[in-house]
Amino acid sequence: GAGVSQSPSNKVTEKGKDVELRCDPISGHTALYWYRQSLGQGLEFLIYFQGNSAPDKSGLPSDRFSAERTGGSVSTLTIQRTQQEDSAVYLCASSPEGGRSYGYTFGSGTRLTVV
Amino acid sequence: GNSVTQMEGPVTLSEEAFLTINCTYTATGYPSLFWYVQYPGEGLQLLLKATKADDKGSNKGFEATYRKETTSFHLEKGSVQVSDSAVYFCALTTGTSGSARQLTFGSGTQLTVLP
Repeated sequence: GAGVSQSPSNKVTEKGKDVELRCDPISGHTALYWYRQSLGQGLEFLIYFQGNSAPDKSGLPSDRFSAERTGGSVSTLTIQRTQQEDSAVYLCASSPEGGRSYGYTFGSGTRLTVV
Repeated sequence: GNSVTQMEGPVTLSEEAFLTINCTYTATGYPSLFWYVQYPGEGLQLLLKATKADDKGSNKGFEATYRKETTSFHLEKGSVQVSDSAVYFCALTTGTSGSARQLTFGSGTQLTVLP
């Protein structure tokens, strides 16, 4: 697509429920990143995909968080048993091979609110 | 490891004032440097970038010069407008492959321009 698309744009969920956040990167971009933006916390790296594999999962905050990418395209971030501290904006970005020079293109994010 | 330090916000200016937002970095390896802007309710947009020392990135009247000797990448604009009100993030990446590609962000600087 023309840009990075994320869905839903807003999600309100009850504590303890599972949620799935979707990211559709720019066509042809091999690298995909998930970040979390919390009020007062800045931008926190979660996970990086190169193709369908995730060489760096170091930012996932707990084992309740997981992510997958299929077909080198769409990625899903899953949060199980959501907690109130999971409330944040979850941002996805993609870049072509050699993102060091190109920079990343971000989606508009999914605002997650856990009540 | 990599880190980015930005000047603390918020910054409030009158329209047509001169803007400087300071950014310094530490990096293992040779970084590429970026400024991203986040308008209210939107995702991050790449504003400008520089990939080697002494490069000047520019866009929409904003400029930043990659200073290796001072490890800095300060953002400047000669005459700000109300529409420039946003949060500005300085960022870097050092990798061409693997997990080193992830962007490391500063904490962001909120800019408000008053008419």
